Amino acid sequence: AQTVTQSQPEMSVQEAETVTLSCTYDTSESDYYLFWYKQPPSRQMILVIRQEAYKQQNATENRFSVNFQKAAKSFSLKISDSQLGDAAMYFCAYRSAAGGAQKLVFGQGTRLTINP
Amino acid sequence: NAGVMQNPRHLVRRRGQEARLRCSPMKGHSHVYWYRQLPEEGLKFMVYLQKENIIDESGMPKERFSAEFPKEGPSILRIQQVVRGDSAAYFCASSPRLIGGAEETQYFGPGTRLLVL
Repeated sequence: AQTVTQSQPEMSVQEAETVTLSCTYDTSESDYYLFWYKQPPSRQMILVIRQEAYKQQNATENRFSVNFQKAAKSFSLKISDSQLGDAAMYFCAYRSAAGGAQKLVFGQGTRLTINP
Repeated sequence: NAGVMQNPRHLVRRRGQEARLRCSPMKGHSHVYWYRQLPEEGLKFMVYLQKENIIDESGMPKERFSAEFPKEGPSILRIQQVVRGDSAAYFCASSPRLIGGAEETQYFGPGTRLLVL
């Protein structure tokens, strides 16, 4: 079974600085998808960014980018120019690309605090 | 296009009562997923449904929990004879019908917070 590990329970960063959240995963599959979701205090789950494992190019979405290292099974999230609104729990998630496999496997989360 | 709707947002039940959680997927989405989030933990998959079919219920407890997604109406997650350990946030997500096997992102609802007294 696939597992996702986020080794940083909490992180903090100064406003406008850059922060990187770590995520590693374990799988024997070669084709899969990886996601970062944000959960603010409202507890709504918001998709931040996604990466297809077959793509070598790292995904980017405005101030959010990933460093996808397939051989190392690592999928870190970089947030540039941090803003107060970025404060939230961040969850890394894995999804198999196998036919019929739809469930997301989540990590334990990293609580990000933005210091003004 | 309205997002995934869940109701109620908050539900309080006493031990032994039944809890019914509803999820209306985004318009055009025919796949529904239920996840449970215990306090200070990540989300755990429970069940994946398509209209009138349960596709994967590998994360669903064997007893007291059931889910359905009828042809008409919302998906329902039903918990019978609730216990304190059922207190959690229950999230529903939906995704469009797969086309040619292309991956589709899951979009989440706001969740239902269940508190069992």
